[in-house]
Amino acid sequence: DQQVKQNSPSLSVQEGRISILNCDYTNSMFDYFLWYKKYPAEGPTFLISISSIKDKNEDGRFTVFLNKSAKHLSLHIVPSQPGDSAVYFCAATSSNDYKLSFGAGTTVTVRA
Amino acid sequence: DSGVTQTPKHLITATGQRVTLRCSPRSGDLSVYWYQQSLDQGLQFLIHYYNGEERAKGNILERFSAQQFPDLHSELNLSSLELGDSALYFCASSVATANTGELFFGEGSRLTVL
Repeated sequence: DQQVKQNSPSLSVQEGRISILNCDYTNSMFDYFLWYKKYPAEGPTFLISISSIKDKNEDGRFTVFLNKSAKHLSLHIVPSQPGDSAVYFCAATSSNDYKLSFGAGTTVTVRA
Repeated sequence: DSGVTQTPKHLITATGQRVTLRCSPRSGDLSVYWYQQSLDQGLQFLIHYYNGEERAKGNILERFSAQQFPDLHSELNLSSLELGDSALYFCASSVATANTGELFFGEGSRLTVL
């Protein structure tokens, strides 16, 4: 049962433009959401998170938006850089849970 | 470098065999998580240990078992291996639980079952 879904397996964007990655979830108990970035031959690394009490969190070029009513979150990368080319995983958890549920990932390719 | 160490990095074995994957968490982290990533799939949660005790189980097969030792390192044992067990197995650690902060992942152990 996939509770976190990333429906776009890949995204190609030109350097300097905005990358928008989308994520949907089904479990209404989720109240904490994270994005992880993964390069080949490496483990995922934490990128940015958002609590359900917020609808936006910003960290440099990365902004995460949360729409609780739609059970949808998105990650915006502005401007996109070649080093952003990686797989991005959306993840979610709840206050009374001990695990992160991950989406299948979106592969971002930033073109020069 | 996340501070989480996984060994071996690569492992090739045959069906029916048994393997052990090892994980050393970051210094000071009490929680260890195991995840499985099969081809083109997300990370599937297997099991979570906190300070030596099992706290949560995910979609972990009965052929798989894990434990966390007093020194906090963890081992994932996979037995009666099948072709479908071929995957990347990630270990992650955190200070406490996932909802209080991010997980720190190791580089993974790639298991190939022939």
